[in-house]
Amino acid sequence: DAGVTQSPTHLIKTRGQQVTLRCSPKSGHDTVSWYQQALGQGPQFIFQYYEEEERQRGNFPDRFSGHQFPNYSSELNVNALLLGDSALYLCASTPIGNISFTGELFFGEGSRLTVL
Amino acid sequence: AQSVTQLGSHVSVSEGALVLLRCNYSSSVPPYLFWYVQYPNQGLQLLLKYTTGATLVKGINGFEAEFKKSETSFHLTKPSAHMSDAAEYFCAVTRRVNNNDMRFGAGTRLTVKP
Repeated sequence: DAGVTQSPTHLIKTRGQQVTLRCSPKSGHDTVSWYQQALGQGPQFIFQYYEEEERQRGNFPDRFSGHQFPNYSSELNVNALLLGDSALYLCASTPIGNISFTGELFFGEGSRLTVL
Repeated sequence: AQSVTQLGSHVSVSEGALVLLRCNYSSSVPPYLFWYVQYPNQGLQLLLKYTTGATLVKGINGFEAEFKKSETSFHLTKPSAHMSDAAEYFCAVTRRVNNNDMRFGAGTRLTVKP
């Protein structure tokens, strides 16, 4: 049973560039959340996708956008990169069904973005 | 909105000693509470969770936590630390009805000395 997978694992960009990060949820999960974890900080909620729509959004600017595909995989896009966007970007999935809902998130190992 | 505060960004214990990592939460509705562990260059792994029922919950690797509503706390403990417990630990809270904005604390780095 494959867990949450993310790609790429590491990438380096320069200021002003754009980046796309990808996530495949755990088998049987249909909801994907994205988190930003800056060095020495806890993960910060960016947004969550369910049924190909953004359900909730954290306090992040519009430069951060996402997409969910019919197979439940998801992308995170960041435009006009700033030095402060350097972080570990974590994807987490969960099953949305009420019967199985426990609130637990299943995390991938993350994509580490460095902006120079 | 809900939030968690982890007291102490760094905790150091000797191998075999008690581990106590502190977490206090704020939530306008009954919360779901979690402890996650993160090893270097890895994602977060669930240690244990409180949803409903028994307030003392047991997790993996010998960890446990007690939900104390009167103190709004969910402290993580382990009777005897092992070298392999060295990692970053995060407390998190979400609302009962959905989890689409789980809030994490800033984390506590646990160091275990031989």
